[in-house]
Amino acid sequence: SYELIQPPSVSVSPGQTASITCSGDKLGDKNACWYQQKPGQSPVVVIYQDAKRPSGIPERFSGSNSGNTATLTISGTQAMDEADYYCQAWDSSTAIFGGGTRLTVL
Amino acid sequence: QVQLVQSEAEVKKPGASVKVSCKASGYTFTAYFIHWVRQAPGQGLEWMGWINPNSGGTNYAQKFRGRVTMTRDTSISTAYMELSRLASDDTAVYYCSRLVLVPDFNWFDPWGQGTLVTVSS
Repeated sequence: SYELIQPPSVSVSPGQTASITCSGDKLGDKNACWYQQKPGQSPVVVIYQDAKRPSGIPERFSGSNSGNTATLTISGTQAMDEADYYCQAWDSSTAIFGGGTRLTVL
Repeated sequence: QVQLVQSEAEVKKPGASVKVSCKASGYTFTAYFIHWVRQAPGQGLEWMGWINPNSGGTNYAQKFRGRVTMTRDTSISTAYMELSRLASDDTAVYYCSRLVLVPDFNWFDPWGQGTLVTVSS
């Protein structure tokens, strides 16, 4: 079955750039989404179609997807960005989520 | 605004069934598929399947086939997810979410607030 692999954790200093990767076989041929989940809250989409931001999502969030890796980049990371991030793609009509990455803003 | 409101937390015994509801508002209920995703304590997101509120058609993740049933009541814009033969590892927060679909791509938005289902003897 198809898998999406994320690093369990990423740390970043305030104001710096955080990059979270998501790896899967030929992931670049699929459309990747990214969801942010803060403690005790429901997930919220921050990136869809690899690189598009929904309205209301700050410009510091960006995405890319090529080859076997999708990447979520947060520029000028703020304390409020500390959360779990999940990538998601579709494989044979099944929604696949990555295992999630905890972003810590130190 | 578009909103999905789920039913309250449940505590069930092993072997029992649970039915979680998801009431939609702020949009045409029959125009968007509703998906169900669960999250065990401290774990990641796991997709369970979807229901087409217009036709009632469903598609379940292979892991849950034979144990999950998704239904809807269009008169009250509500979707339901029933899971049977519960075991302790079904303890999780269950989310419903609307799939926003445009040609060639889609995303889940919004998500319900989640319903905690605890399975314990």
